[in-house]
Amino acid sequence: DTAVSQTPKYLVTQMGNDKSIKCEQNLGHDTMYWYKQDSKKFLKIMFSYNNKELIINETVPNRFSPKSPDKAHLNLHINSLELGDSAVYFCASSPLAGGRETQYFGPGTRLLVL
Amino acid sequence: SQQGEEDPQALSIQEGENATMNCSYKTSINNLQWYRQNSGRGLVHLILIRSNEREKHSGRLRVTLDTSKKSSSLLITASRAADTASYFCATADTGGFKTIFGAGTRLFVKA
Repeated sequence: DTAVSQTPKYLVTQMGNDKSIKCEQNLGHDTMYWYKQDSKKFLKIMFSYNNKELIINETVPNRFSPKSPDKAHLNLHINSLELGDSAVYFCASSPLAGGRETQYFGPGTRLLVL
Repeated sequence: SQQGEEDPQALSIQEGENATMNCSYKTSINNLQWYRQNSGRGLVHLILIRSNEREKHSGRLRVTLDTSKKSSSLLITASRAADTASYFCATADTGGFKTIFGAGTRLFVKA
């Protein structure tokens, strides 16, 4: 039983396209996150939602738009993809909001923009 | 700048040896966490140590925290090839709102 799942696992696309990544958690957690991990393995938070409300919105281009239809789902839509968007995107969840909480990560979506 | 920074960046040891990784951070913390990431996978939580704790154990893992030096160490005893992974420390930012991850230590355990 996968706790935090993401689809797709791999995404290869052309520059300028629009794509979405989906995330679902079955842990009953209130808070979900999107992280970007670059080629040097540096993990940086992008967004966080708590009970469907946006609580963290880092300095991310507005081509990235998260959407949380319910507290078990957090999707990420990316418009006009650029080469620099190539990275691994991780979804995570935690029982409560806050940086002190233990987070549970999905397997990641490997995005390659050509 | 990053809150947590791990040292060394990479570590290669033989199976059976101990592996020690260090993490330094910049601001006051409530707790510090260590995560492991196997190649091609998401991060997995290993252990959490609170600011009023100095040492914590979990199986072959031993974590220490020195708040006066703003540093933590993760010791893996009797390492196994399966311990090969990247290890990250994580702390909350000053507002306690966001989790800040370090750049990780890449551990390679040779069989």
